[in-house]
Amino acid sequence: GAVVSQHPSWVICKSGTSVKIECRSLDFQATTMFWYRQFPKQSLMLMATSNEGSKATYEQGVEKDKFLINHASLTLSTLTVTSAHPEDSSFYICSARTAYTNTEAFFGQGTRLTVV
Amino acid sequence: KQEVTQIPAALSVPEGENLVLNCSFTDSAIYNLQWFRQDPGKGLTSLLLIQSSQREQTSGRLNASLDKSSGRSTLYIAASQPGDSATYLCAVPNQFYFGTGTSLTVIP
Repeated sequence: GAVVSQHPSWVICKSGTSVKIECRSLDFQATTMFWYRQFPKQSLMLMATSNEGSKATYEQGVEKDKFLINHASLTLSTLTVTSAHPEDSSFYICSARTAYTNTEAFFGQGTRLTVV
Repeated sequence: KQEVTQIPAALSVPEGENLVLNCSFTDSAIYNLQWFRQDPGKGLTSLLLIQSSQREQTSGRLNASLDKSSGRSTLYIAASQPGDSATYLCAVPNQFYFGTGTSLTVIP
């Protein structure tokens, strides 16, 4: 299957700093990428959907100025958590899909963010 | 907005038992449904993808069915093994809303 690489796999940062997470599709062109967060013992919650070259569409309750998403190319999307706070500590996962709506999505391995 | 529910939330079975995990969704206008496995603290492993035109999909000891009209999918695991212990998630497009998950423990 196709490979989605997410980096870093874990990161610790201080409160008030910003953290960037990268999501790359290694062997296919991802026209659409999704970003999720997962709290302990909970399911994945969709944060936003991004299409290459367009502004991301955020789910209700997700602050777009805090979680900046850039999908500048067909193989790379980034999520930047700005002015991070301890409550932003979570597991963040990206997924990528090609243009066809009936294809499966491929997931990165996730990033464990801890804000201290 | 699509809502996805999984029952049961947790399941504990002895090794060798066959089991069924359930997934229900509110909007039946889906293109496909995907089942995943997640080990603690890890990312997702895709298990099966069922297209809307299909009713079943099989991979090894796993069999997934899809009934769009009733908004349901089931994941059947045959002859369960301790290594099957994980959380199982179903997800529906286009945004891949995830179900609440079923935490499976297979007891040796």
